Amino acid sequence: AQSVTQPDIHITVSEGASLELRCNYSYGATPYLFWYVQSPGQGLQLLLKYFSGDTLVQGIKGFEAEFKRSQSSFNLRKPSVHWSDAAEYFCAVTNTGGFKTIFGAGTRLFVKA
Amino acid sequence: DAGITQSPRHKVTETGTPVTLRCHQTENHRYMYWYRQDPGHGLRLIHYSYGVKDTDKGEVSDGYSVSRSKTEDFLLTLESATSSQTSVYFCAISGTGDNSPLHFGNGTRLTVT
Repeated sequence: AQSVTQPDIHITVSEGASLELRCNYSYGATPYLFWYVQSPGQGLQLLLKYFSGDTLVQGIKGFEAEFKRSQSSFNLRKPSVHWSDAAEYFCAVTNTGGFKTIFGAGTRLFVKA
Repeated sequence: DAGITQSPRHKVTETGTPVTLRCHQTENHRYMYWYRQDPGHGLRLIHYSYGVKDTDKGEVSDGYSVSRSKTEDFLLTLESATSSQTSVYFCAISGTGDNSPLHFGNGTRLTVT
């Protein structure tokens, strides 16, 4: 069965520091992978997605993620965090057919001045 | 932003009463979904629809039913609300194709007392 694991429930980083949020997935075939961000009181917004090709994908707001098949990982990175990046981040995988997207439990990012 | 409206945005109801949540989209997308979000669980799929009158169950469908009589509207009904259904409910839509990301509404916070 598909599953997505985000090992870190919450992370605190200083403004201007680099960020890496971890995501591991379990899926039998080539997965379609996504990162979403959720600000308080809002729905989720797509940051980036991976389907095939280049394993390093660029997203909005300066985020990027790297697909590593050998490690079943799709970690999200940002070189320099801004206070406005404080939010909850969700990694997700979709099956072929796209009907059932499975989400990780989320990682809440806190940014300190 | 995708045109997705959820109503109501907040609702408090008593155990045993029926509740209907509405999702309305203006994007003419074929696929619509209902998720619930609970701390520590991320988002879990309740039901989804792949066309008018075409629906199927997700991973947490017990106690919920859905209907889709028009492309733009997807209703979620709790036949007899229970305290375990206290949650934030999100509607999402997506286009065709395996790589179509989800676009979310802003959610409905439901409290069952």
